[in-house]
Amino acid sequence: NAGVMQNPRHLVRRRGQEARLRCSPMKGHSHVYWYRQLPEEGLKFMVYLQKENIIDESGMPKERFSAEFPKEGPSILRIQQVVRGDSAAYFCASSPVGQGTDTQYFGPGTRLTVL
Amino acid sequence: GIQVEQSPPDLILQEGANSTLRCNFSDSVNNLQWFHQNPWGQLINLFYIPSGTKQNGRLSATTVATERYSLLYISSSQTTDSGVYFCAVTGSNYQLIWGAGTKLIIKP
Repeated sequence: NAGVMQNPRHLVRRRGQEARLRCSPMKGHSHVYWYRQLPEEGLKFMVYLQKENIIDESGMPKERFSAEFPKEGPSILRIQQVVRGDSAAYFCASSPVGQGTDTQYFGPGTRLTVL
Repeated sequence: GIQVEQSPPDLILQEGANSTLRCNFSDSVNNLQWFHQNPWGQLINLFYIPSGTKQNGRLSATTVATERYSLLYISSSQTTDSGVYFCAVTGSNYQLIWGAGTKLIIKP
């Protein structure tokens, strides 16, 4: 029973390039959450998706960031025209039901470094 | 929104010692989870504990929802327990609100 999968684990981009982060939820989970962790801090919510729907993107920057969770395939977090401040660890979590009482299971994270 | 405070921010112990980590939250919660982030950055689910007490090996946790706090106990610490311990809660929705963490260093 595979857990939440994320790839790549490490990603290096130069300023102005695009970063694509992928997340495959646990089997049977249709709810995906993205969080960002800056150095020495706790995680911050970015976006919540179900298959083909963005439910809540209130934590996502208005520009350059987008997320999707297509009917087939992994969830994608895309960052366009990356800047140094985007350097962080990006974690994906999944849950079976999108309620506050759910346990969220986290992937290993993608560490993005912007040069 | 809900505020989550963890204490102490840092803790240095000798191998074999016991420790208690605390998480205070400012409002009623539907979910409370404890995580261990190891030195390689991976997040490990420790407990889902919105109320009550649970034990898993050398670790146990207690949440007193009416008083808005949770405690994580680590007994007979090992060097592999080192890392950052996070408490995270949800209130009326699904967003996990995270504390700043307790950084634990276990010395051999």
